[in-house]
Amino acid sequence: EVQLVESGGGLVQPGESLRLSCAAAGFTLSNFWMIWVRQAAGRGLEWVAYLGPAGKDISYVDSVAGRFTISRDNARSSLFLQMNSLRTEDTAVYYCVRGSPYCRGGACRLAFDFWGQGTLVTVSS
Amino acid sequence: DIQMTQSPSSLSTSVGDRVAITCRASQSISSFLNWYQQKPGKAPKLLIYAASTLQSGVPSRFSGSGSGTDFTLTISSLQPEDFATYYCQQGYSSPLTFGGGTKVEIK
Repeated sequence: EVQLVESGGGLVQPGESLRLSCAAAGFTLSNFWMIWVRQAAGRGLEWVAYLGPAGKDISYVDSVAGRFTISRDNARSSLFLQMNSLRTEDTAVYYCVRGSPYCRGGACRLAFDFWGQGTLVTVSS
Repeated sequence: DIQMTQSPSSLSTSVGDRVAITCRASQSISSFLNWYQQKPGKAPKLLIYAASTLQSGVPSRFSGSGSGTDFTLTISSLQPEDFATYYCQQGYSSPLTFGGGTKVEIK
């Protein structure tokens, strides 16, 4: 059974840092794209970052680029999100998500097929 | 960035009704469109990928259609467990963007 368990959320002040972790089980992490998605209270979903299986393909939403870093430790089946210079607008539940590729017309893209339960990050003074 | 617009933002309906939710992309995304269901306090769940392919384990009353810029999620006969919020998401290009969501409520 695929499981994704996030940890590391909490209350921090603006400008501080936090590191989120995601423990993966039930599949081989090194074979999959991994993603972070966040959701502010009462709001919709926002993709934050993705990381390819080999660790080379990385992308961030503009609002976190330069402040957040996604990384992985395949040997420990873990995904991380280092969040620096946190802002109040980063307050949200952060989900660790597995991405599975599908191909149409010679091109391949991702579907987010398994989600963790989320960890709450609150940035407030 | 590709903007995803869902409509309606909410709807009130009854068990057994047919429900259609639309999602429009600001530019063509081919068939790289996914649908998710989210219940209160829970993580989203993948329902449909590639616009029309049902994820394993998802009931056949859910279906998806469309390509290019216009897409539809249809629930053929709404069940009590289907009351939730539904999101579309484009996987065509980064940043990967979601629609604003459609909340399906009990009438």
